[in-house]
Parts: sequence; C-alpha cells; structure tokens
Amino acid sequence: GNSVTQMEGPVTLSEEAFLTINCTYTATGYPSLFWYVQYPGEGLQLLLKATKADDKGSNKGFEATYRKETTSFHLEKGSVQVSDSAVYFCALSDRSGYKLTFGKGTLLTVNP
Amino acid sequence: DTAVSQTPKYLVTQMGNDKSIKCEQNLGHDTMYWYKQDSKKFLKIMFSYNNKELIINETVPNRFSPKSPDKAHLNLHINSLELGDSAVYFCASSQDIQSNEQYFGPGTRLTVT
Repeated sequence: GNSVTQMEGPVTLSEEAFLTINCTYTATGYPSLFWYVQYPGEGLQLLLKATKADDKGSNKGFEATYRKETTSFHLEKGSVQVSDSAVYFCALSDRSGYKLTFGKGTLLTVNP
Repeated sequence: DTAVSQTPKYLVTQMGNDKSIKCEQNLGHDTMYWYKQDSKKFLKIMFSYNNKELIINETVPNRFSPKSPDKAHLNLHINSLELGDSAVYFCASSQDIQSNEQYFGPGTRLTVT
C-alpha cells in the first residue's frame, strides 16, 4: 500500500535559518504529492503540491520538488519566520485522486 | 464565511455515551471526508462521501456511522464511546472525486473520560 515517511520532529530553528523537512514515499504508479500545514489550534491547509516528476511546488517561500528517482518531496525554505511555527504534513494521493495518505507530521518551532 | 465548519469545537463526554459531530461546507464541493488525528498528530482517513454516497470506509469500528443528508453536510455519529476514541476529528471537502486538493475544517477535539 501507499505510505509516506517524513523526518521525526520536533525541529527547532532560529528566525532566518534554512529549513529542510525530509519526506519520502512509497506508492504504485505516479502519485500526486502535497505539503499541508497545521497552525496551532487550526485545521490543515494546503501549502503546496506537485503532480508529476520534476515538478516544483512553491508557496509563501516554501518549495518542494517531486523527485521520482529518489521517491522524495523534501520541503525547504530559505529563511524561516516565527509565524512559520506549525506542524507540517507530507501527503500523497493515488490514482483515484481523492484518497490522501499522510505522513506523521513534523512540528516546527521558530524562535525569535 | 467559513468554508468548512464543524460543531462542536470541543466535546467532553463519558465512556458509553453516544455523540455526534456535524460538518458543513459552503464551497459547493461534491466530496467530503472525516479524518481522525491521534495524540501524536497522526492523521488517518475514516470515511469519504461523494454526492451523498459512501466511497471510502476504512477499517473503522461500526460504532462510527457517518451520515450525509445532502452534499454540503457530513455528520459523524459515534455510539458507545470508548477512551480510545479521544482524538481530534477533522472534516474536509474537495471539489469532486477527481480533485486531490482538500479543504479542512478547524477540527473537533473529543475527550472521553
């Protein structure tokens, strides 16, 4: 079956530091890949997505590139802010499109 | 104005009780979902409805029964609540069965004592 593995947290950074959160996946075929973000006390929000190999998703300074050869979709941001503190979830959807499989989430805390 | 709303936001109840959580979306979407998030933040799909028809029913105890009275609503009824049911339950919706962009509600934190 499909699965998503992302780096264990928590991750604690200082403001303006570089962020990488690793995500790898196992799936048949060509899944679509996503990063969702959950701010404290809120539901999940779609941060970015990529639907095919070598696509780069980007939003709010975050980027992730769909790497089929390494089955990875690592999240990066060049300079984090305190407001980026949240839980980040990597996810994939299979060919059906509507069923999402999530990773376990990575808690990011950014200190001033 | 909230796209996907859930009520209640918090629910504290005793073991053995029956409770319901309601979800409404005003996005005009055809497909709705229920997810369970455990204490370690792990998120797992429970059910999905498309145009009021059940399309995903994961391995969930039959004490959990979803009901979709119309496309804009998906409610979750839980019978004989157990301690292990304590979690945050999220409702979500997507445009249709082909769409993989899901919009989440704010969650309902259920605590069973």
